[in-house]
Amino acid sequence: EPEVTQTPSHQVTQMGQEVILRCVPISNHLYFYWYRQILGQKVEFLVSFYNNEISEKSEIFDDQFSVERPDGSNFTLKIRSTKLEDSAMYFCASMKMVDQPQHFGDGTRLSIL
Amino acid sequence: DAKTTQPPSMDCAEGRAANLPCNHSTISGNEYVYWYRQIHSQGPQYIIHGLKNNETNEMASLIITEDRKSSTLILPHATLRDTAVYYCIVRRDFNKFYFGSGTKLNVKP
Repeated sequence: EPEVTQTPSHQVTQMGQEVILRCVPISNHLYFYWYRQILGQKVEFLVSFYNNEISEKSEIFDDQFSVERPDGSNFTLKIRSTKLEDSAMYFCASMKMVDQPQHFGDGTRLSIL
Repeated sequence: DAKTTQPPSMDCAEGRAANLPCNHSTISGNEYVYWYRQIHSQGPQYIIHGLKNNETNEMASLIITEDRKSSTLILPHATLRDTAVYYCIVRRDFNKFYFGSGTKLNVKP
């Protein structure tokens, strides 16, 4: 069964550095999402992406964050200048069409030192 | 999107049915009910979804009340591997999912 894959599984970065988290959504899916989960807390929505543009973003998704679908297969989340509070699990999800379920990857654990 | 209310935790004996309730009294007519689970810190795993009718798949059954204000996820024969946090989510169209605190299901031998 097709899966959403995320790389790397764990990323350790110095505070202030840029980081790019990568996702390969399921191939025929059209809607893409990023969520994050700080340790011990709820899963929080960051951004949704459709038709090569952001369709919705949360207040967490400030100017330090950006998303891109550089080719037909990858979907990336960039954090320009990381802060300690960006340490979290980041989940990518994709969806085929409206009213269908989102399918999640296993996440990237981002640790900011 | 309508918000949901779930009990914070439930216990279930291995091999028995686990019935997880969810209240979504403010659900609107075009919002679907989705169930996901999260084992440890893995990505949320899709279980089942429905609009009005009861649904069944290889993992679970979903019972939605006639007024659609509540639903129950049924795991017919719970195993230890079903220990997880279960999330009930209502959503319209392609909107984001709002994850609440979910129900921590403890399956005990």
